[in-house]
Amino acid sequence: DAGVIQSPRHEVTEMGQEVTLRCKPISGHDYLFWYRQTMMRGLELLIYFNNNVPIDDSGMPEDRFSAKMPNASFSTLKIQPSEPRDSAVYFCASSANGNYEQFFGPGTRLTVL
Amino acid sequence: GNSVTQMEGPVTLSEEAFLTINCTYTATGYPSLFWYVQYPGEGLQLLLKATKADDKGSNKGFEATYRKETTSFHLEKGSVQVSDSAVYFCAFAMDSNYQLIWGAGTKLIIKP
Repeated sequence: DAGVIQSPRHEVTEMGQEVTLRCKPISGHDYLFWYRQTMMRGLELLIYFNNNVPIDDSGMPEDRFSAKMPNASFSTLKIQPSEPRDSAVYFCASSANGNYEQFFGPGTRLTVL
Repeated sequence: GNSVTQMEGPVTLSEEAFLTINCTYTATGYPSLFWYVQYPGEGLQLLLKATKADDKGSNKGFEATYRKETTSFHLEKGSVQVSDSAVYFCAFAMDSNYQLIWGAGTKLIIKP
């Protein structure tokens, strides 16, 4: 199994630009989670999906952030417009129904200049 | 509300020292408990877990016991190696809710 796949691994952009992060969960997993990790705030859950439906988006910091899961094998996290304070590592994780273990991707390191 | 409190890091030890990283939780009911590890530049990965009181999870020489009476799940290892240097996260999940509640993470530094 390839594990959770995230792209790109690194993204450098300028303030005001749109950023799209991508995630492919492990095949057969029903749950998908988006996290943000920074030194100041640690690991934060942004949103999670069950069977492609958003269940809890209370962690999404503001309207500039949006996430979609059009099918069971793909999800995106979009930031528009991006700001320097959005600089962080963004992780995607997935888990199977009936199993609390979450499998993490390698993360996308986002730098907004 | 639900929360996890972990020992604040960084924790710095010499190789072959004994390790304890404290973790206590606040939760309604009886959660499943987890320790995750994050090596530099990587995502988090499950280290060990325990699903009911008095269960002991173990992996790679690490152990943690689910203590319901003290709501704790302390991570221990008898002899650490330089390769154990990483950030360790304690977490729990409640029945029917697949969201994990995370501690702040504890950075472990092992010196040769």
